[in-house]
Amino acid sequence: EVQVVQSGAEVKKPGESLEISCKASGYSFSTYWIGWVRQLPGKGLEWVGIIWPDDSDTRYSPSFQGQVTISADKAISTAYLQWSRLKASDTATYYCARLSGSASRGHFDYWGRGTLVSVSS
Amino acid sequence: QSVLTQPPSASGTPGQRVTLSCSGGSSNIGINTVNWYQQFPGTAPKLLIYSNDQRPSGVPDRFSGSRSGTSASLAISGLQSEDEATYYCGTWDDSLNDVVFGGGTNLTVL
Repeated sequence: EVQVVQSGAEVKKPGESLEISCKASGYSFSTYWIGWVRQLPGKGLEWVGIIWPDDSDTRYSPSFQGQVTISADKAISTAYLQWSRLKASDTATYYCARLSGSASRGHFDYWGRGTLVSVSS
Repeated sequence: QSVLTQPPSASGTPGQRVTLSCSGGSSNIGINTVNWYQQFPGTAPKLLIYSNDQRPSGVPDRFSGSRSGTSASLAISGLQSEDEATYYCGTWDDSLNDVVFGGGTNLTVL
Protein backbone atom coordinates (compact mmCIF):
# COMPACT_ATOMS: atom_id res chain seq x y z
CA GLU A 1 0.00 0.00 0.00
CA VAL A 2 1.40 3.36 -1.02
CA GLN A 3 1.64 5.82 1.86
CA VAL A 4 2.94 9.37 2.12
CA VAL A 5 3.42 10.49 5.70
CA GLN A 6 4.23 14.13 6.38
CA SER A 7 5.85 15.78 9.37
CA GLY A 8 3.76 17.68 11.87
CA ALA A 9 2.56 21.26 12.04
CA GLU A 10 5.12 24.00 12.55
CA VAL A 11 4.88 27.43 14.18
CA LYS A 12 7.77 29.73 13.29
CA LYS A 13 8.76 33.38 13.31
CA PRO A 14 9.60 35.45 10.23
CA GLY A 15 13.23 35.07 9.26
CA GLU A 16 13.57 31.60 10.74
CA SER A 17 14.51 28.55 8.71
CA LEU A 18 12.40 25.44 8.36
CA GLU A 19 12.47 22.01 6.79
CA ILE A 20 9.40 19.83 6.52
CA SER A 21 9.44 16.25 5.35
CA CYS A 22 7.43 13.44 3.90
CA LYS A 23 8.27 9.77 4.06
CA ALA A 24 6.98 7.54 1.32
CA SER A 25 6.48 3.82 1.42
CA GLY A 26 4.88 1.00 -0.51
CA TYR A 27 6.58 1.69 -3.82
CA SER A 28 10.02 2.25 -5.35
CA PHE A 29 10.78 5.74 -4.04
CA SER A 30 13.63 6.39 -6.47
CA THR A 31 11.60 5.85 -9.62
CA TYR A 32 8.70 8.25 -9.16
CA TRP A 33 8.70 12.02 -9.03
CA ILE A 34 7.53 13.35 -5.68
CA GLY A 35 6.51 16.92 -5.10
CA TRP A 36 4.91 19.65 -3.08
CA VAL A 37 1.68 21.61 -3.44
CA ARG A 38 0.83 24.72 -1.43
CA GLN A 39 -2.61 25.74 -0.28
CA LEU A 40 -2.97 29.14 1.30
CA PRO A 41 -5.70 29.43 3.95
CA GLY A 42 -9.07 29.25 2.24
CA LYS A 43 -7.50 29.25 -1.22
CA GLY A 44 -6.75 26.86 -4.08
CA LEU A 45 -3.86 24.61 -4.99
CA GLU A 46 -0.45 25.82 -6.18
CA TRP A 47 2.31 23.60 -7.55
CA VAL A 48 5.61 24.22 -5.78
CA GLY A 49 7.88 21.71 -7.49
CA ILE A 50 8.98 18.10 -7.81
CA ILE A 51 12.08 15.98 -7.44
CA TRP A 52 13.29 12.72 -8.98
CA PRO A 53 14.87 11.04 -5.96
CA ASP A 54 17.19 8.80 -7.92
CA ASP A 55 19.38 11.67 -9.17
CA SER A 56 17.80 14.66 -7.36
CA ASP A 57 16.70 16.27 -10.62
CA THR A 58 14.44 19.06 -9.37
CA ARG A 59 11.87 21.18 -11.13
CA TYR A 60 10.37 24.29 -9.56
CA SER A 61 7.37 26.39 -10.35
CA PRO A 62 8.64 29.80 -11.50
CA SER A 63 6.61 31.24 -8.62
CA PHE A 64 8.64 29.31 -6.06
CA GLN A 65 12.06 29.19 -7.73
CA GLY A 66 14.60 30.66 -5.32
CA GLN A 67 12.06 30.81 -2.50
CA VAL A 68 12.25 27.19 -1.37
CA THR A 69 14.49 24.16 -1.78
CA ILE A 70 13.26 20.67 -2.51
CA SER A 71 15.49 17.72 -1.72
CA ALA A 72 15.25 13.99 -1.17
CA ASP A 73 17.13 11.20 0.57
CA LYS A 74 16.46 8.03 -1.33
CA ALA A 75 18.13 5.93 1.37
CA ILE A 76 15.26 6.71 3.72
CA SER A 77 12.55 7.39 1.10
CA THR A 78 12.02 10.92 2.33
CA ALA A 79 11.49 14.20 0.54
CA TYR A 80 11.98 17.63 2.03
CA LEU A 81 10.82 21.19 1.52
CA GLN A 82 13.06 23.84 3.01
CA TRP A 83 12.98 27.56 3.65
CA SER A 84 16.04 29.57 4.66
CA ARG A 85 14.11 32.66 5.74
CA LEU A 86 10.39 32.33 6.31
CA LYS A 87 7.91 35.10 5.66
CA ALA A 88 4.43 35.54 7.03
CA SER A 89 3.13 34.95 3.50
CA ASP A 90 4.52 31.40 3.66
CA THR A 91 1.72 30.53 6.08
CA ALA A 92 -0.12 27.69 4.38
CA THR A 93 -0.71 23.97 4.27
CA TYR A 94 1.91 22.13 2.23
CA TYR A 95 1.00 18.81 0.70
CA CYS A 96 3.49 16.20 -0.41
CA ALA A 97 2.34 13.92 -3.19
CA ARG A 98 3.67 11.25 -5.50
CA LEU A 99 3.59 12.08 -9.19
CA SER A 100 2.77 9.36 -11.68
CA GLY A 101 3.80 9.94 -15.25
CA SER A 102 6.21 12.48 -16.68
CA ALA A 103 7.43 15.56 -14.86
CA SER A 104 5.29 17.96 -16.84
CA ARG A 105 2.32 15.80 -17.71
CA GLY A 106 1.87 13.55 -14.73
CA HIS A 107 -0.72 13.51 -12.01
CA PHE A 108 -0.45 13.42 -8.23
CA ASP A 109 -1.94 10.07 -7.29
CA TYR A 110 -1.01 9.66 -3.62
CA TRP A 111 -1.09 12.57 -1.20
CA GLY A 112 0.07 13.17 2.33
CA ARG A 113 -2.27 14.72 4.87
CA GLY A 114 -0.52 18.07 4.68
CA THR A 115 1.76 20.05 6.95
CA LEU A 116 0.43 23.33 8.30
CA VAL A 117 3.14 25.96 8.47
CA SER A 118 2.27 29.07 10.49
CA VAL A 119 4.63 32.04 10.37
CA SER A 120 3.92 34.92 12.71
CA SER A 121 5.84 37.31 14.89
CA GLN B 1 -6.39 35.01 -10.73
CA SER B 2 -6.03 31.37 -11.80
CA VAL B 3 -4.82 30.43 -15.26
CA LEU B 4 -7.62 27.87 -15.52
CA THR B 5 -11.12 29.18 -14.97
CA GLN B 6 -13.66 27.25 -12.94
CA PRO B 7 -17.00 28.52 -11.66
CA PRO B 8 -16.61 29.12 -7.93
CA SER B 9 -19.76 27.24 -7.07
CA ALA B 10 -22.22 24.71 -8.42
CA SER B 11 -25.14 22.79 -7.01
CA GLY B 12 -27.41 19.88 -7.71
CA THR B 13 -29.96 17.64 -6.09
CA PRO B 14 -29.46 13.99 -5.20
CA GLY B 15 -29.64 11.76 -8.25
CA GLN B 16 -29.04 14.60 -10.65
CA ARG B 17 -26.20 14.82 -13.17
CA VAL B 18 -23.95 17.85 -12.82
CA THR B 19 -21.12 19.03 -15.03
CA LEU B 20 -18.26 21.16 -13.78
CA SER B 21 -16.28 23.15 -16.31
CA CYS B 22 -12.62 24.13 -16.56
CA SER B 23 -11.58 26.64 -19.20
CA GLY B 24 -8.01 27.22 -20.29
CA GLY B 25 -6.01 28.12 -23.34
CA SER B 26 -3.83 26.92 -26.17
CA SER B 27 -0.75 26.55 -23.99
CA ASN B 28 -2.36 24.40 -21.33
CA ILE B 29 -5.60 22.45 -21.83
CA GLY B 30 -5.33 22.85 -25.59
CA ILE B 31 -2.22 20.67 -25.74
CA ASN B 32 -1.94 18.86 -22.41
CA THR B 33 -4.03 16.37 -20.50
CA VAL B 34 -6.19 17.45 -17.59
CA ASN B 35 -6.43 16.03 -14.09
CA TRP B 36 -9.22 16.52 -11.58
CA TYR B 37 -8.92 16.47 -7.81
CA GLN B 38 -11.60 16.30 -5.13
CA GLN B 39 -11.04 17.96 -1.77
CA PHE B 40 -13.18 17.85 1.36
CA PRO B 41 -12.73 20.59 3.97
CA GLY B 42 -9.70 20.01 6.14
CA THR B 43 -8.43 17.06 4.14
CA ALA B 44 -5.90 16.45 1.38
CA PRO B 45 -6.92 16.51 -2.27
CA LYS B 46 -7.68 13.17 -3.87
CA LEU B 47 -7.07 12.27 -7.50
CA LEU B 48 -10.41 11.80 -9.22
CA ILE B 49 -9.66 11.82 -12.95
CA TYR B 50 -6.31 11.81 -14.77
CA SER B 51 -5.31 12.13 -18.41
CA ASN B 52 -8.65 13.80 -19.27
CA ASP B 53 -10.88 10.79 -18.76
CA GLN B 54 -9.13 8.04 -16.77
CA ARG B 55 -10.43 6.99 -13.37
CA PRO B 56 -8.02 5.66 -10.73
CA SER B 57 -9.08 2.40 -9.19
CA GLY B 58 -11.63 2.95 -6.47
CA VAL B 59 -13.21 6.02 -8.02
CA PRO B 60 -16.87 5.32 -8.83
CA ASP B 61 -17.85 5.33 -12.49
CA ARG B 62 -20.34 8.08 -11.64
CA PHE B 63 -17.39 10.38 -12.19
CA SER B 64 -16.25 11.00 -15.75
CA GLY B 65 -13.98 13.50 -17.44
CA SER B 66 -13.63 14.90 -20.92
CA ARG B 67 -11.65 17.50 -22.84
CA SER B 68 -12.56 19.44 -25.94
CA GLY B 69 -10.37 22.15 -27.39
CA THR B 70 -9.24 24.41 -24.57
CA SER B 71 -11.86 23.28 -22.07
CA ALA B 72 -12.38 20.27 -19.87
CA SER B 73 -15.35 18.97 -17.94
CA LEU B 74 -16.03 16.76 -14.98
CA ALA B 75 -19.42 15.08 -14.93
CA ILE B 76 -20.97 13.54 -11.87
CA SER B 77 -24.02 11.40 -12.42
CA GLY B 78 -26.34 10.10 -9.74
CA LEU B 79 -25.25 12.93 -7.44
CA GLN B 80 -24.92 11.95 -3.79
CA SER B 81 -24.64 14.02 -0.64
CA GLU B 82 -21.12 12.66 -0.12
CA ASP B 83 -20.04 14.34 -3.37
CA GLU B 84 -20.24 17.72 -1.67
CA ALA B 85 -16.65 18.94 -1.98
CA THR B 86 -14.40 21.30 -3.89
CA TYR B 87 -13.18 20.12 -7.29
CA TYR B 88 -9.98 21.35 -8.92
CA CYS B 89 -8.76 20.90 -12.47
CA GLY B 90 -5.06 21.02 -13.25
CA THR B 91 -2.67 20.66 -16.15
CA TRP B 92 0.76 21.69 -17.42
CA ASP B 93 1.18 25.05 -19.12
CA ASP B 94 3.85 25.03 -21.82
CA SER B 95 4.22 28.82 -21.86
CA LEU B 96 4.53 29.25 -18.10
CA ASN B 97 6.55 26.05 -17.59
CA ASP B 98 4.34 25.43 -14.63
CA VAL B 99 1.50 23.25 -13.41
CA VAL B 100 -1.63 25.37 -13.32
CA PHE B 101 -4.81 24.74 -11.38
CA GLY B 102 -8.25 26.19 -11.55
CA GLY B 103 -9.55 28.10 -8.58
CA GLY B 104 -11.83 25.22 -7.67
CA THR B 105 -15.59 24.67 -7.79
CA ASN B 106 -17.39 24.22 -4.51
CA LEU B 107 -20.16 21.71 -5.20
CA THR B 108 -23.23 21.76 -2.95
CA VAL B 109 -25.75 18.94 -2.90
CA LEU B 110 -29.11 20.49 -2.07
